[in-house]
Amino acid sequence: GESVGLHLPTLSVQEGDNSIINCAYSNSASDYFIWYKQESGKGPQFIIDIRSNMDKRQGQRVTVLLNKTVKHLSLQIAATQPGDSAVYFCAERPPNDYKLSFGAGTTVTVRA
Amino acid sequence: NAGVTQTPKFQVLKTGQSMTLQCAQDMNHNSMYWYRQDPGMGLRLIYYSASEGTTDKGEVPNGYNVSRLNKREFSLRLESAAPSQTSVYFCASSERGRAYGANVLTFGAGSRLTVL
Repeated sequence: GESVGLHLPTLSVQEGDNSIINCAYSNSASDYFIWYKQESGKGPQFIIDIRSNMDKRQGQRVTVLLNKTVKHLSLQIAATQPGDSAVYFCAERPPNDYKLSFGAGTTVTVRA
Repeated sequence: NAGVTQTPKFQVLKTGQSMTLQCAQDMNHNSMYWYRQDPGMGLRLIYYSASEGTTDKGEVPNGYNVSRLNKREFSLRLESAAPSQTSVYFCASSERGRAYGANVLTFGAGSRLTVL
């Protein structure tokens, strides 16, 4: 079975609000966690990653938080824009392996 | 840079027909992958190639074969297509297939396959 999963399959957000997308993982030994964004009709695109020895990492308008105690990962998007409408996947890289394991994805819809 | 290019983008097959999905990357990446994406199931790894000359099974390899033709190209073949293989297929590549770093994947745009 999958070791990475997302709490909610869909998320509706008002334009301008902040979005929080959650992900639970089961392999406590995973070294890296990665977020991907997939727009309609396109392949997934890398957003940001975080190593297991970090709690937080920031990018452009995005922040990833890692809580290893409860094996939880989240992606926060500041000031959500219509272009943020997409499916968001979290993925983990297990130890001693380079292949990624993906969750089922969360579909984010931005309301105007 | 084109990145990862997949062909065809769309294909309709009848049960029992065969076909090959082509993938090429121009980033000089060592590792290449084939995933399938089904509703509610995320991305599942079919086959991968850590480096030129090697291929290995992923999570769902049954019914598929692959060829790593050279460093740039990695093809996926369905010998006898079944309706259960109706899916969107993604090819991806990464710089190196080793257990360090995040191993960020670059994906192609996908190939939508329908088997009737």
